[in-house]
This record gives sequence, structure tokens and C-alpha cells, in this order.
Amino acid sequence: EVQLVESGGGSVQPGGSLRLSCAASGFTFRTDWMHWVRQAPGKGLVWVSRINGDGSATYYADSVKGRLTISRDNAKNTLFLQMDSLRAEDTAVYFCVRGRGTHGDWEWRGQGTLVIVSS
Amino acid sequence: QTVVTQEPSFSVSPGGTVTLTCGLTFDSVSASYYPSWYQQPPGQAPRTLIYSTDTRSSGVPDRFSGSILGNKAALTITGAQADDESDYYCALYMGSGIWVFGGGTKLTVL
Repeated sequence: EVQLVESGGGSVQPGGSLRLSCAASGFTFRTDWMHWVRQAPGKGLVWVSRINGDGSATYYADSVKGRLTISRDNAKNTLFLQMDSLRAEDTAVYFCVRGRGTHGDWEWRGQGTLVIVSS
Repeated sequence: QTVVTQEPSFSVSPGGTVTLTCGLTFDSVSASYYPSWYQQPPGQAPRTLIYSTDTRSSGVPDRFSGSILGNKAALTITGAQADDESDYYCALYMGSGIWVFGGGTKLTVL
């Protein structure tokens, strides 16, 4: 069974940093694209970033470019999101999502991890 | 600025049919945007319903179908059930590795 377990969320002051992790199991992690999608409280889904299987290609939404960095450790089946220079508008639940090969066929298994940016 | 547009809300009667749409402010939606649809029941994580315009994800009942209608992507739900009451999001691939979600449609079944 596919499992995606997000962790690392918490409260941080504006300008601070956090590192989110997503532990993956139940599939061949190293072959799949992985995404981060976020959802501010009471708001809609926002695509944040994605990374290919070997980590050589990364893409970001304009709103996070230069501040958030996606990476992965295929030896540990773990996806990361390094979050720097955090802003209040980064407050959201962050979901780790598996891309199942075809554009848009995404697997959502985790409940997300909540990041709160507030002074 | 809103790029991907969806109806903010919609209602359907139990057993009825409803079509939700997904548009672009600057272009017509076509298959090259790989329109995809996601369902998020209240308090739950999303799940994929439709990807690449009209392909149902694994385990999704055939009451859900995707298409292109005119210049928009469309999600049609037939035989609506109470547990279809959810937020529905479309996402479009903008090229250069970037995806964008629409603002979502809150579907009420009553």
C-alpha cells in the first residue's frame, strides 16, 4: 500500500525557516515525480513545486521561487521541502503528492503538515 | 490574478447531473493542458478523479467523466450522490514544468 507521511510543520516567525519531509513507501520512489501542494486555511489548493525521479529537474510556482527548495533522498525514500524567508502567506497545510507517470494522475495519501508563519 | 477559472459553487439534486467547468483567462483549454480534476470532501485530503482530460483514475466510478466543452475542460457527474458533496479542483499544465490549480468549485447535493 502506498503511504506518504508528511512531517516537519510547525509555527515559525516571518523570515524564518522550516524543512518539511515526506516519507514514502509502497512504490518505487526513485522512478516517480513528486510534488508539493499547499492549502491555506479555508482556501483552495495551490501547486508549489515538483521534482523528477533522480532529482535533476525541479520546478516552482512563481510565488515560492527562490525561497522554497524541493529535494529528495532516494536512498531513504524521502521528499523534502526546505522553506526559507517564510512569509505569512506561506501559512498552509502542505501535501506531498506522488505523480503516477501520466500528467495529472496524482496520488494523494497523506493528511499534510501544517505550517503557520506568524509573529 | 486568476488564471484558471472555476465556478465558485454549484448545486445538484440527488440523482441529477451536473457539469463543472475549468477555463483559462488568456486561452482556450485543450488537451495539451492535460486538464485534471480532484475531489476534496470536507475535512479530507484530495483524490484524483480525472487526468489528461478524460481518463478516470484508478477506482473512480464511471459516474465521473471528463471532457472538453467548447473552450473549457469539463467534469460531469451523473447520478449525483450525497457523498459527492465536496470541493472540486481542476489543474492545468502550463508547460515549463508548471501546474496551476483553479480556485475550486464547492458542490452541494440537495
